[in-house]
Amino acid sequence: KQEVTQIPAALSVPEGENLVLNCSFTDSAIYNLQWFRQDPGKGLTSLLLIQSSQREQTSGRLNASLDKSSGRSTLYIAASQPGDSATYLCAVGGETSGSRLTFGEGTQLTVNP
Amino acid sequence: NAGVTQTPKFRILKIGQSMTLQCTQDMNHNYMYWYRQDPGMGLKLIYYSVGAGITDKGEVPNGYNVSRSTTEDFPLRLELAAPSQTSVYFCASSYQGINSPLHFGNGTRLTVT
Repeated sequence: KQEVTQIPAALSVPEGENLVLNCSFTDSAIYNLQWFRQDPGKGLTSLLLIQSSQREQTSGRLNASLDKSSGRSTLYIAASQPGDSATYLCAVGGETSGSRLTFGEGTQLTVNP
Repeated sequence: NAGVTQTPKFRILKIGQSMTLQCTQDMNHNYMYWYRQDPGMGLKLIYYSVGAGITDKGEVPNGYNVSRSTTEDFPLRLELAAPSQTSVYFCASSYQGINSPLHFGNGTRLTVT
């Protein structure tokens, strides 16, 4: 059974800092991996989707990498801003799980002005 | 651009009562999902549908039922509410299942007392 872990559970940084969020998964037989952002009281917003054949995806100040063999993904946020404060979740689509995603518990990020 | 709309936003139920959580999307997506999110936890899949007339169980289907009579609507039914069903419920849709970004509604916060 696929398990997805995100460490740390919470992170607080000063504005302007570059930061990395981590996601690890136990079964490397995956289709893809998605990173989401969740604001308090809101639903999830998809940020980046990396297919298993890709090594990274970029969108603006965000860069997500994927290393299937080691079961790890990172989300890099450059020049963080207070508006980046949110919970970030990763989710893995497995080869044996059909239309299902397995979610991590998330990292709650606070960017202080 | 409505996207995925969930109603109601909040609801308090007494043990044993029933209710239907409504979900509708206007993006003509075939794939729709129901997740629940407990505090500090990742999302757990309750049910999903790959098209009108087709539904399937996720990780935690007990105590819930769904139907998918149209492409747009995917209601979730709780028949006999229990305190363990206190949670935030999210509906999501996507164009190509887990191979495309998921679009989420803003959730329904349900309390069973």
